[in-house]
Amino acid sequence: DSGVTQTPKHLITATGQRVTLRCSPRSGDLSVYWYQQSLDQGLQFLIQYYNGEERAKGNILERFSAQQFPDLHSELNLSSLELGDSALYFCASSPWTGKTVVGYTFGSGTRLTVV
Amino acid sequence: ILNVEQSPQSLHVQEGDSTNFTCSFPSSNFYALHWYRWETAKSPEALFVMTLNGDEKKKGRISATLNTKEGYSYLYIKGSQPEDSATYLCASSEGNFGNEKLTFGTGTRLTIIP
Repeated sequence: DSGVTQTPKHLITATGQRVTLRCSPRSGDLSVYWYQQSLDQGLQFLIQYYNGEERAKGNILERFSAQQFPDLHSELNLSSLELGDSALYFCASSPWTGKTVVGYTFGSGTRLTVV
Repeated sequence: ILNVEQSPQSLHVQEGDSTNFTCSFPSSNFYALHWYRWETAKSPEALFVMTLNGDEKKKGRISATLNTKEGYSYLYIKGSQPEDSATYLCASSEGNFGNEKLTFGTGTRLTIIP
């Protein structure tokens, strides 16, 4: 157990639907990152939150949104789902404070299948 | 957007042999280079983070070097063991603090042959 909890582990839904993926960061980590891994592609950065505020944005579609709550858990909302959104979605956290660089701690991922 | 490339894509190594693979990244606007190990059915696990040109890090039989001027990093595994079988990912940061907007390569898939 890495300390980063993602739920659900698997999700199957139909095109056009909306889903919410949830992530609880490792205790003490203020930064949360969301990544998407589609078939045959590397991990693609979606978005980063730090202590409740959006910190950096990657190639996140307008149909996707995220937030980080006061208790530091984060949710990634995917709407108007398309077949191409099927992927493994990872959440990661780090204790980044802007002073030292440390690696991410990844959750086990949510496997989303859009049918 | 950074373009991080890893080579080779896959590698089969006899148990006991040593091996190495490469990560190349744009040297401009570089801040940090991360290495992760990703075993099948698990999540990526951080190995090293390096920021300075000439940095060398070591963890047991695994070590890494960094050349920021030419934009590459090498990962070395000495005396490969079956448990080293995994995909090794590198990622470069274009953020101000080294942990932002990591761009990952597609990885080197290492298989150790007993």
